[in-house]
Amino acid sequence: DVKVTQSSRYLVKRTGEKVFLECVQDMDHENMFWYRQDPGLGLRLIYFSYDVKMKEKGDIPEGYSVSREKKERFSLILESASTNQTSMYLCASSFRVWEGARRTDTQYFGPGTRLTVL
Amino acid sequence: AQSVSQHNHHVILSEAASLELGCNYSYGGTVNLFWYVQYPGQHLQLLLKYFSGDPLVKGITGFEAVFIKSKFSFNLRKPSVQWSDTAEYFCAVNSGYSTLTFGKGTMLLVSP
Repeated sequence: DVKVTQSSRYLVKRTGEKVFLECVQDMDHENMFWYRQDPGLGLRLIYFSYDVKMKEKGDIPEGYSVSREKKERFSLILESASTNQTSMYLCASSFRVWEGARRTDTQYFGPGTRLTVL
Repeated sequence: AQSVSQHNHHVILSEAASLELGCNYSYGGTVNLFWYVQYPGQHLQLLLKYFSGDPLVKGITGFEAVFIKSKFSFNLRKPSVQWSDTAEYFCAVNSGYSTLTFGKGTMLLVSP
């Protein structure tokens, strides 16, 4: 079974603090993703990485950065936390799978970190 | 850009009722389609997926989904729901090379 773990289930931080959210996967997946989940908005992609030291912006990267120094670990960084970053943060990972000329990756999710910024 | 529309934000059913959750997407090319489920207090889990072949896909715990290319739809169905199906359901789409685009989710409440 794929195992994606996140460092904390619940986190409370103050406005202006630097926040690190850690994600680790144990299946040697190339791709890793960070989403935020908000009621009524579904999941929105913040950043993703398709290889070590590589990163790509998702749909809502503002206020966030990421780091991928090792294949199994993908960190999300809030440089200066704000109250509008209060949310559930989900990490996911996937293999790069080819069926002919077509990609058919499947993403697997961690349990999430519920971050509250006061 | 792709978009995914889930028709209902909240659905309330009695046990043994039939379920159909709608999902429509905007991309006109070849797509990969997914339904994920999030049970209360649990992480997001893959329910079923469609890449190619038979447009009727069967997933875990009696769920199935049907892909209708002409309608850009991938609706989730279950003939008889149980109280344990209470969860939030997310439809997601990608076009192979791209990242997943999720719908806003449908919260299903099944009353015993």
